Amino acid sequence: EPEVTQTPSHQVTQMGQEVILRCVPISNHLYFYWYRQILGQKVEFLVSFYNNEISEKSEIFDDQFSVERPDGSNFTLKIRSTKLEDSAMYFCASSTEGRQFFGPGTRLTVL
Amino acid sequence: DAKTTQPPSMDCAEGRAANLPCNHSTISGNEYVYWYRQIHSQGPQYIIHGLKNNETNEMASLIITEDRKSSTLILPHATLRDTAVYYCIVRVGRDDKIIFGKGTRLHILP
Repeated sequence: EPEVTQTPSHQVTQMGQEVILRCVPISNHLYFYWYRQILGQKVEFLVSFYNNEISEKSEIFDDQFSVERPDGSNFTLKIRSTKLEDSAMYFCASSTEGRQFFGPGTRLTVL
Repeated sequence: DAKTTQPPSMDCAEGRAANLPCNHSTISGNEYVYWYRQIHSQGPQYIIHGLKNNETNEMASLIITEDRKSSTLILPHATLRDTAVYYCIVRVGRDDKIIFGKGTRLHILP
């Protein structure tokens, strides 16, 4: 069965550095999402993306965040200048017929 | 904010049916009921969804009351691998973002 993949599985970075988290959504899906989950807390929506543009974003998704679909398969989340509080699991998802399929996540640790 | 109310935790014996309740008393006529689960540190997993009628798939059954104000997710023969946090979610648009609440932490007991 097709699945969403994410790389890397774990990213360690220094505060102030840029990181790019990568996702490969399921190939025939049209809607893409990023969520994050700080340790011990709820899964939180960050941004949704459709037709090569952001369709909705949360308050968390400020100017430090950006998303891109650079080619026909990848979907990326960039954090320009990471902060300690960006440490979290980041999940990518893609959607068809109302069902969102999530990737295994990238654990981002900001030191 | 999540529009649903779920018990924070439940226990179920392995091999028995796990019945997870959810209240969504303010649900609108065009909102679907979705269930997802999150096994420890993994990405959330879609289980099932429905609008009015009861639904069944290979993972679970979803029973929605006639007034649609509550629903029950049934895992017919729970195994240890079903230990997870289960989220009941109501959504209007089928491709809308998901707003996760705290869910129900289901413990399957051997």
